[in-house]
Order: sequence, then C-alpha cells, then structure tokens
Amino acid sequence: EAGVVQSPRYKIIEKKQPVAFWCNPISGHNTLYWYLQNLGQGPELLIRYENEEAVDDSQLPKDRFSAERLKGVDSTLKIQPAELGDSAVYLCASSFTNNSPLHFGNGTRLTVT
Amino acid sequence: AQSVTQLDSQVPVFEEAPVELRCNYSSSVSVYLFWYVQYPNQGLQLLLKYLSGSTLVKGINGFEAEFNKSQTSFHLRKPSVHISDTAEYFCAVSDQTKSSYDKVIFGPGTSLSVIP
Repeated sequence: EAGVVQSPRYKIIEKKQPVAFWCNPISGHNTLYWYLQNLGQGPELLIRYENEEAVDDSQLPKDRFSAERLKGVDSTLKIQPAELGDSAVYLCASSFTNNSPLHFGNGTRLTVT
Repeated sequence: AQSVTQLDSQVPVFEEAPVELRCNYSSSVSVYLFWYVQYPNQGLQLLLKYLSGSTLVKGINGFEAEFNKSQTSFHLRKPSVHISDTAEYFCAVSDQTKSSYDKVIFGPGTSLSVIP
C-alpha cells in the first residue's frame, strides 16, 4: 500500500511569509494527525482529525496556524505569518481508527530565515 | 500529566554488540507504551508496543522491550546490532483511559550510532 505522502519535503521562506504543507494519508485511514518535531526532540501533536472533524487542536497555536481536512481525506496545514521559531519538521500521520497504529509520512522540513 | 524520559541522548555501540536504550515514564494512570524508530530524513515507524499481557514485548528487526511497572520503565534491547540500526529511537506513552493512540506523548529520543 502507498504510505502517507507529504509535500513539499523542504521549504525555505523568509519570516512573515505564509507557508502551507500538504498531506495525503493512506487510503481508508479516517484519523489524521499533524505533529511538530523540533531538532533533537520528539514529535508534539498539533492537531488530530477524525474524518473531517478536528477533535483535538488544543496544541495548535491558533493565532498563526490553521489546518483543514476537506472531505476527510487530504489535509493542509498553514502558517501565516511564519516566525523564526517555526523552523522545524512538520510530520503528518494517519491511522485506520483512533485505536490503530500510526503511519507517519517523511515530513516537511521548514526553514524560516 | 504524562511525561517520558530517555536518559541517553546518544548511544554509540559496536556492530554485533548488544544495546539497551532506556526509557522511563510518569503517569497518574495506567499506560500504553511504544517504541518508534526514525531513520534519517524519514518519518517514524512503530517498532513495538505494550498494551497489556506479557511484559516482554517483541518487535520488528529483532528488538524487544520489557515493561516494568514498579520502576515505570520500558527499556528497549537488541542482542546484536547491525549498521542498519543506526537511527533515532523514540519512546512514547499514552493513557489507558483513552484509546491507545489518542494522545501519544513522545520522549526526546536517543540517537543510536552503530560503529563498524
């Protein structure tokens, strides 16, 4: 089966610019997660979707971050405007249900200059 | 609140030698425990998980881990490492009061370097 696909793999932007990341989960996976991974640290959950509904976005900085999962399949994570501290790897994961193993994509490495 | 501690940030080990990566957790409730591996420039892959039952859990690539409730530990072991085991390893915990993958808290990771 095809894995979780993320794009772009790398993104370099200047601070105050907007940026968007895209994630295509494994076909049939209803649960989708966005994680933030800072250098030398473990992933931290930003938001979790059950189908098209965001069921846990408590860790998402809503002043500049937004996410959507239209039609309960692909998802987009946006930052506007980006800050230097947003430089990190953004990981997407999906699972068949919220009680199934997580499958991670390869991530998008964001560098804000 | 839950937390995960991985005591060693870096572990160098010679090829074919045994290795143990340490993980300790804290939680006010019973937990599920996981180990994930992350190869360079890739996402995380599940190595093994403890949900219930036997405290010795076997995973992929010859890894195993033992759940010790009294010591709140879940150390990962492999009797003989290979060059291809060089990667970042993350221990993770989730409350048993929720679904097992509802909110998974990851540790800071241990970088395993296998020396030829």
